[in-house]
Amino acid sequence: KQEVTQIPAALSVPEGENLVLNCSFTDSAIYNLQWFRQDPGKGLTSLLLIQSSQREQTSGRLNASLDKSSGRSTLYIAASQPGDSATYLCAVRPSSSASKIIFGSGTRLSIRP
Amino acid sequence: EAGVTQSPTHLIKTRGQQATLRCSPISGHTSVYWYQQALGLGLQFLLWYDEGEERNRGNFPPRFSGRQFPNYSSELNVNALELEDSALYLCASSAGQTLAKNIQYFGAGTRLSVL
Repeated sequence: KQEVTQIPAALSVPEGENLVLNCSFTDSAIYNLQWFRQDPGKGLTSLLLIQSSQREQTSGRLNASLDKSSGRSTLYIAASQPGDSATYLCAVRPSSSASKIIFGSGTRLSIRP
Repeated sequence: EAGVTQSPTHLIKTRGQQATLRCSPISGHTSVYWYQQALGLGLQFLLWYDEGEERNRGNFPPRFSGRQFPNYSSELNVNALELEDSALYLCASSAGQTLAKNIQYFGAGTRLSVL
């Protein structure tokens, strides 16, 4: 059974710092991995999608990496800003399922001005 | 282009009542997914509808049900509400079953409170 874990559960850093969020998954048979952002009480915004054949994806100040063999992904945020404060969710789509996305419990990020 | 829309934004019910949540997918999308985000439990997959049919469901009791209409919009019905059904319910849509294009786009959610 696929399980997705995100550590730490919460993170607070001063503005301007570079930071890394971690995601691990137990079954390497995934089709893709996605990072989402969720603002309090709101839905999800997709940040980056990495297909299983890819190693990383970049969008602006965000860079996500994927190491399927070790079951790990990282989301790197450069030059953090207060507007980056949100919960960041990692989710994997198992190769065996066309529908289910399995989510981690998220990392709640707070950027201090 | 409009994204995934959900209504209502908030819904307050009492225990034992029924709740109906609605979702309109992105135009051209045929698949609709429902997720529950309960406090402390993270996001859990609930249901997947495609072309009007229920294709898959998560580990939820039968009182969670839904349907998809010919225009691909969807309803999620929760019967005999329990306090622990209080959660944010998120709907997502995708363009179909081809995995390469099966990226899910999420709505803003319906917050259900059961008193």
